[in-house]
Amino acid sequence: RKEVEQDPGPFNVPEGATVAFNCTYSNSASQSFFWYRQDCRKEPKLLMSVYSSGNEDGRFTAQLNRASQYISLLIRDSKLSDSATYLCVVNIIGGGSYIPTFGRGTSLIVHP
Amino acid sequence: NAGVTQTPKFQVLKTGQSMTLQCAQDMNHNSMYWYRQDPGMGLRLIYYSASEGTTDKGEVPNGYNVSRLNKREFSLRLESAAPSQTSVYFCASSSIRSNQPQHFGDGTRLSIL
Repeated sequence: RKEVEQDPGPFNVPEGATVAFNCTYSNSASQSFFWYRQDCRKEPKLLMSVYSSGNEDGRFTAQLNRASQYISLLIRDSKLSDSATYLCVVNIIGGGSYIPTFGRGTSLIVHP
Repeated sequence: NAGVTQTPKFQVLKTGQSMTLQCAQDMNHNSMYWYRQDPGMGLRLIYYSASEGTTDKGEVPNGYNVSRLNKREFSLRLESAAPSQTSVYFCASSSIRSNQPQHFGDGTRLSIL
């Protein structure tokens, strides 16, 4: 079982829709959590960190549920420019250092 | 504002050739990483260096070697390239603090014929 699991999608939604992605992780010692965005053939870029209390950045809301070991990303009022792959990242302690572990990504397509 | 710089951006090799991918960061980060990304597989960690002077294997280290030359630079070497190593390679760096995210270079697209 992969340590970080995501539904690969694609999620195909109209402009203005609200869409939610989930990500589950298997290692309870996971320390920190992030959502990245990756456009086709480009490098991943940080979208937002995920805090225990939940956090919001404009149309984006991230939540963490440590008890159930999942994180979520909610995108409201989807824009065409939101079309991308969204990567869930979990920092796991290993060998005395923190090892970022990526999910395989969830593809989002926003159409007119 | 360079951030993480990777060279080369594109490379085509023949099976059995060797090459080194270079990565440098100017953010004074302690930790550096090499990933490969293949279609449908996501990012897989090849090697990482938690701090200057240390390197450790990641999920897919076979066929690769790394060198942490100094705090800024972390290179990835393919000693004898194989077609299975055709991929996009990303270098990343981060602060040693666990709650800090990684910053990525814009990748090296490597094809091995």
